[in-house]
Amino acid sequence: GQNIDQPTEMTATEGAIVQINCTYQTSGFNGLFWYQQHAGEAPTFLSYNVLDGLEEKGRFSSFLSRSKGYSYLLLKELQMKDSASYLCAVELGAGNKLTFGGGTRVLVKP
Amino acid sequence: GAVVSQHPSRVICKSGTSVKIECRSLDFQATTMFWYRQFPKQSLMLMATSNEGSKATYEQGVEKDKFLINHASLTLSTLTVTSAHPEDSSFYICSASGLAGRDTQYFGPGTRLTVL
Repeated sequence: GQNIDQPTEMTATEGAIVQINCTYQTSGFNGLFWYQQHAGEAPTFLSYNVLDGLEEKGRFSSFLSRSKGYSYLLLKELQMKDSASYLCAVELGAGNKLTFGGGTRVLVKP
Repeated sequence: GAVVSQHPSRVICKSGTSVKIECRSLDFQATTMFWYRQFPKQSLMLMATSNEGSKATYEQGVEKDKFLINHASLTLSTLTVTSAHPEDSSFYICSASGLAGRDTQYFGPGTRLTVL
């Protein structure tokens, strides 16, 4: 089977930094996605990594190490609106099919 | 960015009835659409992959006769939950990608189905 693991919940303070880790053991790998999902809403795309290294996009950065089966999403200068679930998803192969981790609920406190 | 819509956003139905959910890509042609189900406080579970003009590919454990998928055009896919039961109550989300086998998935806003 496919295993994608993320912490269930994290709490952080407004203005701080939070790092959400994702480890995966999958039968294939064609890239890794991070999505943000607010309660009752659809996921929105945050980042995509297919090569090792860090991708930075404003307050959000994502890192990938394919040899370690590991990724993280870094959220800087946290804002209250960043309180949401963050989903790690692996594209297993051609065809764009995604397998999602369980999601990490991040709570930002004042 | 690409916009995907779903209709209806919420539906309540009686047990035994069928419900159709539409998924549309509004500003791009979606060669592939995906249907997911999400139970409360859980992640998205892929139900099926739908390619325009061909039969859907269902994930293991998903009954194709219960969850009918039609992808008749490059902008529309429908999911019909037949003979719905309370355990089918869930959040159903579709996504669409524009290039066959290579593109970011864009998600619809989801449909909350409640079966009484």
